[in-house]
Amino acid sequence: AQSVSQHNHHVILSEAASLELGCNYSYGGTVNLFWYVQYPGQHLQLLLKYFSGDPLVKGIKGFEAEFIKSKFSFNLRKPSVQWSDTAEYFCAVMMNSGYSTLTFGKGTMLLVSP
Amino acid sequence: DVKVTQSSRYLVKRTGEKVFLECVQDMDHENMFWYRQDPGLGLRLIYFSYDVKMKEKGDIPEGYSVSREKKERFSLILESASTNQTSMYLCASSLGSGGAYEQYFGPGTRLTVT
Repeated sequence: AQSVSQHNHHVILSEAASLELGCNYSYGGTVNLFWYVQYPGQHLQLLLKYFSGDPLVKGIKGFEAEFIKSKFSFNLRKPSVQWSDTAEYFCAVMMNSGYSTLTFGKGTMLLVSP
Repeated sequence: DVKVTQSSRYLVKRTGEKVFLECVQDMDHENMFWYRQDPGLGLRLIYFSYDVKMKEKGDIPEGYSVSREKKERFSLILESASTNQTSMYLCASSLGSGGAYEQYFGPGTRLTVT
């Protein structure tokens, strides 16, 4: 079965610091990749997604992620975080076959101090 | 805008009670999903449905059942609630098979079983 590993459970940054959240998956076939975000008290929403093409994808609010197939990785980045980026971030993988189910990582809680 | 609604934001039930969690989506999506979200464990798939009256087990179906009598509605049933089912329950929907589509999430139901 496929699995998704997020490297950090908690990250604390100051405003304007750069962010990189790691995500690795274990599946040898073709995948679709997602990052979801859950702001405090809000529902889970899509940050960005990769289906095919350019491995560097841009999402909302200045986030981007790079798919590196050889490393089975899909790391999330933002050059300069803001206090409003405080949230929990989830990486998810969908196999490109069969049912469109997602396997989620355990999440990374990001706290940005002003 | 896709809207996924869940019948309750908070629910408190007693051990042994039968519990129904309702989810409705308004975008004519074929797929619907139920997850539970626990701190440090991320989201885990309980059941999903890819068509009316069709259902498939996810990763943790034990103690749960589902019902999908209409395309827009997907119910999660706890036949006999237990304290280890205290959790946040998230419903999601997406377009159907033949493509990789993002999932849209509802606000969640926080269930406490005492």
